[in-house]
Amino acid sequence: AQSVTQPDIHITVSEGASLELRCNYSYGATPYLFWYVQSPGQGLQLLLKYFSGDTLVQGIKGFEAEFKRSQSSFNLRKPSVHWSDAAEYFCAVGAGAKLTGGGNKLTFGTGTQLKVEL
Amino acid sequence: DTAVSQTPKYLVTQMGNDKSIKCEQNLGHDTMYWYKQDSKKFLKIMFSYNNKELIINETVPNRFSPKSPDKAHLNLHINSLELGDSAVYFCASRNTPGSSYNEQFFGPGTRLTVL
Repeated sequence: AQSVTQPDIHITVSEGASLELRCNYSYGATPYLFWYVQSPGQGLQLLLKYFSGDTLVQGIKGFEAEFKRSQSSFNLRKPSVHWSDAAEYFCAVGAGAKLTGGGNKLTFGTGTQLKVEL
Repeated sequence: DTAVSQTPKYLVTQMGNDKSIKCEQNLGHDTMYWYKQDSKKFLKIMFSYNNKELIINETVPNRFSPKSPDKAHLNLHINSLELGDSAVYFCASRNTPGSSYNEQFFGPGTRLTVL
């Protein structure tokens, strides 16, 4: 069974500082990896995804993530954080991706809450 | 236009009541999901439907009954509500063409509070 670990429950950074949120996954086949962001009281918005190809993927809002198979990691980075980036960030792995129909599902990590100090 | 919408956004009710949450997507997707987010923000899948057919049921109590009248709608009915059902429920949708993989699009969530 697949699983996702986000080791950091809370992270606080100063505005303008760089950011890295950690994500480790466990999955027996090629992983399909995602980062979602949830602002307070809001739904989940997809930041970026990795399916195959280039291991460094670019997303929205200036975020990027790097897939490292040897480390089973998919860490999220941003070179300069803005106060509006304060939110909850979820890493997820998609399982059963090649099943047609609704057989796939997302397994989420427990989330990392990002606070930005002005 | 809202891609995945849920109603209501907030739902406060008493223990023992029966309630429904509705979800609609206008993306033309063929697969829809319900996820539950608990008080610790942990997200877990409950159900998935593909073309109105139940595909995933993740050991959810049978007090929860999803219903998909058509592939654009997936409703969640909950009988005999319990305190532990208090959570945010998210609907999501996805298209499943052939062997490619597409991400899931989430609705804004329904915050259910059982008193």
